[in-house]
Amino acid sequence: GNSVTQMEGPVTLSEEAFLTINCTYTATGYPSLFWYVQYPGEGLQLLLKATKADDKGSNKGFEATYRKETTSFHLEKGSVQVSDSAVYFCALSGYTDKLIFGTGTRLQVFP
Amino acid sequence: EAGVAQSPRYKIIEKRQSVAFWCNPISGHATLYWYQQILGQGPKLLIQFQNNGVVDDSQLPKDRFSAERLKGVDSTLKIQPAKLEDSAVYLCASSPPRWDTSSDTQYFGPGTRLTVL
Repeated sequence: GNSVTQMEGPVTLSEEAFLTINCTYTATGYPSLFWYVQYPGEGLQLLLKATKADDKGSNKGFEATYRKETTSFHLEKGSVQVSDSAVYFCALSGYTDKLIFGTGTRLQVFP
Repeated sequence: EAGVAQSPRYKIIEKRQSVAFWCNPISGHATLYWYQQILGQGPKLLIQFQNNGVVDDSQLPKDRFSAERLKGVDSTLKIQPAKLEDSAVYLCASSPPRWDTSSDTQYFGPGTRLTVL
């Protein structure tokens, strides 16, 4: 069945450091891929998405590219801020629109 | 635009008691989802509604969990009787209709944190 694997956290970085959170997936067909973020005390919110191979999703300085050949959707940001501290979830959806999530990666950014 | 509303935000019950959660999706969103998020894990879909019909309830423990969306708008999720392992955050989400370019985006409510003692 469909599944998502993402790197375990926590990821601890200093402000302005480069961020990569790895995400790989297993799926039949051509899923859509998502990154959701959960800030402390808040609900899940969509960060970015990509719906087909080679698409790049971007938002708030974050980017992720849909790589079909490596079945990956790694999240990157060139310079993180303290306000980026949150839990990040990689997810996919197939033809039923059901989201299948990874286990989440906690990011902690220190000044 | 108002977001997805959920209540209560927190609930503490003893095992074998019953509990109900309520969700009001974003206006105009036909699809509604209930997810269970156990601490340290990603959310897992329990049930998906399209209007007031069930699309997917394959992972809903039907011996104790039930959900309804009678008028195709708000929804309730019930657990009866609760077990210790039901302690989790219950998330409600909704998504726009198929004709909307954002139909693949789910919008989440703040969740209900359930503790079963």
